[in-house]
Amino acid sequence: AQSVTQLGSHVSVSEGALVLLRCNYSSSVPPYLFWYVQYPNQGLQLLLKYTSAATLVKGINGFEAEFKKSETSFHLTKPSAHMSDAAEYFCAVNVAGNQFYFGTGTSLTVIP
Amino acid sequence: NAGVMQNPRHLVRRRGQEARLRCSPMKGHSHVYWYRQLPEEGLKFMVYLQKENIIDESGMPKERFSAEFPKEGPSILRIQQVVRGDSAAYFCASSPLDSGNTIYFGEGSWLTVV
Repeated sequence: AQSVTQLGSHVSVSEGALVLLRCNYSSSVPPYLFWYVQYPNQGLQLLLKYTSAATLVKGINGFEAEFKKSETSFHLTKPSAHMSDAAEYFCAVNVAGNQFYFGTGTSLTVIP
Repeated sequence: NAGVMQNPRHLVRRRGQEARLRCSPMKGHSHVYWYRQLPEEGLKFMVYLQKENIIDESGMPKERFSAEFPKEGPSILRIQQVVRGDSAAYFCASSPLDSGNTIYFGEGSWLTVV
């Protein structure tokens, strides 16, 4: 069975500090992995996705994520947090047959 | 190029009434997904459909909830005899045919049951 675990339902960082949001997946076959962002009262927007082309994936708004097969992880990072990064972030995995599984989300707070 | 369109954006229903939520996928997308997001909770998968076919409804409550994606027209999520616990944001997403493609979300429909 496939699943996604996001460690830390709430993360707070100071403006300008490093952002690190954790995601671990469980999959018996190589997965496709995604990060989505949700701003209040809006739908989910794609930040980035991993499709086996390169292990380090760059997304929008300065975010990037690294696929580490040995650790079954796909953590999201951004070198310097901005106030506008405050949102809910979801990690998702897609293995086969168009089935997508989402983590429970991590709420990012940026402290001025 | 219109994205995933959901309507209504906000819906208020009294207990016992029916709620119908509509979703038009992106052009060229043949797959539709419905997710529910409860306050302070994550995204819960409900159902996955192709045109005229339910692929996976393992996340749908056994009673009162149904979904369809007809040959013509939008996908419909129908909730009969709504209760307060049905109050949530309902998100539709769509994707093209092949595995590994991104799913694109609509802006959501917020259902409030009073």
